[in-house]
Amino acid sequence: DAGVTQSPTHLIKTRGQQVTLRCSPKSGHDTVSWYQQALGQGPQFIFQYYEEEERQRGNFPDRFSGHQFPNYSSELNVNALLLGDSALYLCASSFGSDYEQYFGPGTRLTVT
Amino acid sequence: AQSVTQPDIHITVSEGASLELRCNYSYGATPYLFWYVQSPGQGLQLLLKYFSGDTLVQGIKGFEAEFKRSQSSFNLRKPSVHWSDAAEYFCAVGPNNNNDMRFGAGTRLTVKP
Repeated sequence: DAGVTQSPTHLIKTRGQQVTLRCSPKSGHDTVSWYQQALGQGPQFIFQYYEEEERQRGNFPDRFSGHQFPNYSSELNVNALLLGDSALYLCASSFGSDYEQYFGPGTRLTVT
Repeated sequence: AQSVTQPDIHITVSEGASLELRCNYSYGATPYLFWYVQSPGQGLQLLLKYFSGDTLVQGIKGFEAEFKRSQSSFNLRKPSVHWSDAAEYFCAVGPNNNNDMRFGAGTRLTVKP
């Protein structure tokens, strides 16, 4: 049983560009959360998707948006990239809102 | 607002020695409390969690944590550290198991031979 998978592993983008990160949840999971982990910091909650809708959102600007597909996989989109968006982006999946979440290995985004 | 403080950025212990990682939280209601471990290039792995009941919680890999409401603390302990325990450790607080969790900045553990 594959756990949470994320793609790509690494990504380099230029300021002002747009990026899409992808996440496939663990088998049987229907809820996906996204986190941003800056270097030397703990993860920060971006948002959570359930039943293809954004259920909760952290303190991130509208440049950060997402989507969940019928197969529960999810995308994180970031528009107008800033240097400060450079971070490890983690995806976590769970079954519903009150079950343990499992984290993927992350996508390392570098904005130059 | 909920928040987590991990006072120690970096801790070094000798293999076989005991370990205690500190975590203090701020939360208005009864929190879910977690400890995660992150090895280089890996995602976060849950070590243990607390919501209610016995304040001493046992987790995986021989770790335990004690919830002390009066001190707003949830410190992680291990009686004998192994070289494979070297990693980054994060304490987190949330309203439930997976929604809007707040993480501390982490404590990096180095294990000396």
